[in-house]
Amino acid sequence: AQSVTQPDIHITVSEGASLELRCNYSYGATPYLFWYVQSPGQGLQLLLKYFSGDTLVQGIKGFEAEFKRSQSSFNLRKPSVHWSDAAEYFCAVGRSGSARQLTFGSGTQLTVLP
Amino acid sequence: KAGVTQTPRYLIKTRGQQVTLSCSPISGHRSVSWYQQTPGQGLQFLFEYFSETQRNKGNFPGRFSGRQFSNSRSEMNVSTLELGDSALYLCASSSREGSYEQYFGPGTRLTVT
Repeated sequence: AQSVTQPDIHITVSEGASLELRCNYSYGATPYLFWYVQSPGQGLQLLLKYFSGDTLVQGIKGFEAEFKRSQSSFNLRKPSVHWSDAAEYFCAVGRSGSARQLTFGSGTQLTVLP
Repeated sequence: KAGVTQTPRYLIKTRGQQVTLSCSPISGHRSVSWYQQTPGQGLQFLFEYFSETQRNKGNFPGRFSGRQFSNSRSEMNVSTLELGDSALYLCASSSREGSYEQYFGPGTRLTVT
């Protein structure tokens, strides 16, 4: 069965600082990987996705993520964080085949200090 | 294009009652998936509907059911509510079956007392 681990429950960074959120997955085949963001009282918004090809993926709002098969990781990065980036971030893995559904990590809460 | 809408946004029910939540997908989208989000269990897949047929189902008891109408709108029903059913229920739509290009609604916050 697939699983996703986000080891950091809560991360605090200063505005303008760089950010890296960690995500490790467990899946037997080539995974479909995603990062979503959830603001308070809101649903999930897709930041970026990886299906195949270039392992460095660009997303919306200046985010990027790098797929590293050898480390089973798909870490999310942003060079300079804005106060509006404060939210909860979820990494997810999709299973291919007939039962295509997303398995989510437990989330990382990001706080941005002024 | 309007996004995914869910009604109601907030709901309070008593243990033992049943509840129906509604989801209207993005216009033209035919696939609707439901997820439950709780602090303890996180985000968990409930089921996916496409063309009025349930295509996939997560590991939830039979008290959780759903349906999809010909206009792609979907409802999920939870019978015999338990305190542990208190959660944010998220609906996501996509243009085709099993697509990972899912667009989420704001959710329905269900509180069971």
